[in-house]
Amino acid sequence: EPEVTQTPSHQVTQMGQEVILRCVPISNHLYFYWYRQILGQKVEFLVSFYNNEISEKSEIFDDQFSVERPDGSNFTLKIRSTKLEDSAMYFCASNIAGVTYEQYFGPGTRLTVT
Amino acid sequence: GEDVEQSLFLSVREGDSSVINCTYTDSSSTYLYWYKQEPGAGLQLLTYIFSNMDMKQDQRLTVLLNKKDKHLSLRIADTQTGDSAIYFCAESADSWGKLQFGAGTQVVVTP
Repeated sequence: EPEVTQTPSHQVTQMGQEVILRCVPISNHLYFYWYRQILGQKVEFLVSFYNNEISEKSEIFDDQFSVERPDGSNFTLKIRSTKLEDSAMYFCASNIAGVTYEQYFGPGTRLTVT
Repeated sequence: GEDVEQSLFLSVREGDSSVINCTYTDSSSTYLYWYKQEPGAGLQLLTYIFSNMDMKQDQRLTVLLNKKDKHLSLRIADTQTGDSAIYFCAESADSWGKLQFGAGTQVVVTP
């Protein structure tokens, strides 16, 4: 069964460093998302992406964040200058839409900022 | 603003039924979902229901929706130890948009 994959599974970085989290959505899906879950808290929406542009973003998704689909398969989230409060599990999701209504999630990348 | 609320914890004995409850505030919610998260794992879609439905059954899972009260529930029949996980209720206004999640209900199944 097709699945969303994410790399790395765990990333440790120092405050102020840039990180890139990578996702490979399901191949025929058209809508892509990033969510994050700070330990013990709700899963929060960050950004949605369709047709090579951001379709919606939350207040959390400030200028430190950016997303890109550099080729036909990868979808990346970049955090330019990480802060301690960026430590969280980051989930990528994809959705075909129009045919099914489910968002399929990847296993997540645990980001630890020290 | 939109909000999704769930009770935080449920303990159930193996073989009994579990009922997890959720309330939401966004009247434009069109799709409502239940996701399962096992320890250290990602979010697994269990089931979803459209707002024009009252009930949906899928094997051991039954979803009930009371749109008037904005109340959603997930019933797991014959609960097993493998059902121990965090269950998240989520809603969205359209089929491709962002999901708004509740805080999750930790379900612990005891032998």
